[in-house]
Amino acid sequence: DAGITQSPRHKVTETGTPVTLRCHQTENHRYMYWYRQDPGHGLRLIHYSYGVKDTDKGEVSDGYSVSRSKTEDFLLTLESATSSQTSVYFCAISESRKSSYEQYFGPGTRLTVT
Amino acid sequence: EDKVVQSPLSLVVHEGDTVTLNCSYEVTNFRSLLWYKQEKKAPTFLFMLTSSGIEKKSGRLSSILDKKELFSILNITATQTGDSAIYLCAVPYTSGTYKYIFGTGTRLKVLA
Repeated sequence: DAGITQSPRHKVTETGTPVTLRCHQTENHRYMYWYRQDPGHGLRLIHYSYGVKDTDKGEVSDGYSVSRSKTEDFLLTLESATSSQTSVYFCAISESRKSSYEQYFGPGTRLTVT
Repeated sequence: EDKVVQSPLSLVVHEGDTVTLNCSYEVTNFRSLLWYKQEKKAPTFLFMLTSSGIEKKSGRLSSILDKKELFSILNITATQTGDSAIYLCAVPYTSGTYKYIFGTGTRLKVLA
């Protein structure tokens, strides 16, 4: 398995509080991603990073911000959590060195906003 | 607008059956199509397809791409209960970045 960890793995928080999820990789891959997965929607891209300090929005980026100050860490922040952000969040990594577009996923974080 | 559509949404079969899962896509600058299997955890990579007509195989799973008709199929022969999972396909966005768009997935349940 690719060396990807996510923390925390489970979190319950209240509406209006800030939340930060962390993704850590040991593969030195250039690209990192945050997805959310909800029933009936599959995996939807929130933000992605193509290098240190280089990030781009995905299809569902409203209400989320990201930061990447080191190759190995990609943080996802919910500035003020809402119930609609209750979801399972997956981090993924990818590397294009071999002209491959394979993505490897972390174990996921289950977030509940009450 | 880039789009990936999978069908059927769900499928229930008995062990030993053969199943065919479909993934159609609409992107302007096609580069690749990826298949993933997701059990009760993170998706795991199955195949990457870049050329039409070349079948990729891994045991009882195989996949083929049709770039003219813009779809891919994933076949599973002699299904087992361990094949029960959500199967996802994804393609990179037209924009040329390394962002991917995923289909909603097909939920397969294999009964003993």
